[in-house]
Amino acid sequence: EAGVAQSPRYKIIEKRQSVAFWCNPISGHATLYWYQQILGQGPKLLIQFQNNGVVDDSQLPKDRFSAERLKGVDSTLKIQPAKLEDSAVYLCASSLDRGDFRGGDNEQFFGPGTRLTVL
Amino acid sequence: GESVGLHLPTLSVQEGDNSIINCAYSNSASDYFIWYKQESGKGPQFIIDIRSNMDKRQGQRVTVLLNKTVKHLSLQIAATQPGDSAVYFCAEFRRGGYNKLIFGAGTRLAVHP
Repeated sequence: EAGVAQSPRYKIIEKRQSVAFWCNPISGHATLYWYQQILGQGPKLLIQFQNNGVVDDSQLPKDRFSAERLKGVDSTLKIQPAKLEDSAVYLCASSLDRGDFRGGDNEQFFGPGTRLTVL
Repeated sequence: GESVGLHLPTLSVQEGDNSIINCAYSNSASDYFIWYKQESGKGPQFIIDIRSNMDKRQGQRVTVLLNKTVKHLSLQIAATQPGDSAVYFCAEFRRGGYNKLIFGAGTRLAVHP
């Protein structure tokens, strides 16, 4: 089974520039997550989609971050403009989770992440 | 505030020894916990989970213990191997209108030959 795909794997930009990350979840997974992982810390949820609708974006800095999930499959996360503190690994994950708690359906599968460096 | 955290940021062990990684949580209503392993350059990978109606759960070379009285869980790795070197996270699964994971800061496990 193919895993969660992310691109690019690495990105270096200067502050105030824009950047976009792409995620292709596991086929059939209803829920897609974007996490931010700052060096030395655990992943922090930025936004969660169920199909193509946002169910949680409470931790997303909406003045500069945006995300969409077209047709309930692929997703893009954009930062505009980037700040130095946005340097982190951006992880995408997906799960079968359809909103109810069903044990294994809730297991999240993570992609390899995109390492962003803002100079 | 509610949080999931770890006691030790780095753990060094000799190959073949047993490893114990600890985690404290503060949300007493939490009823499901997951341990993840993250190798360098990769995303977190599910290791083992445990529900609050259990005190112990065993997998292949790994055991998770849950102590709800003191809100503590641990991950035990038997006969630690070089391939076990990674950062380990405990995560709290929060149910509600939507389900989400709250990760702790992580413990780096370094296995020495």
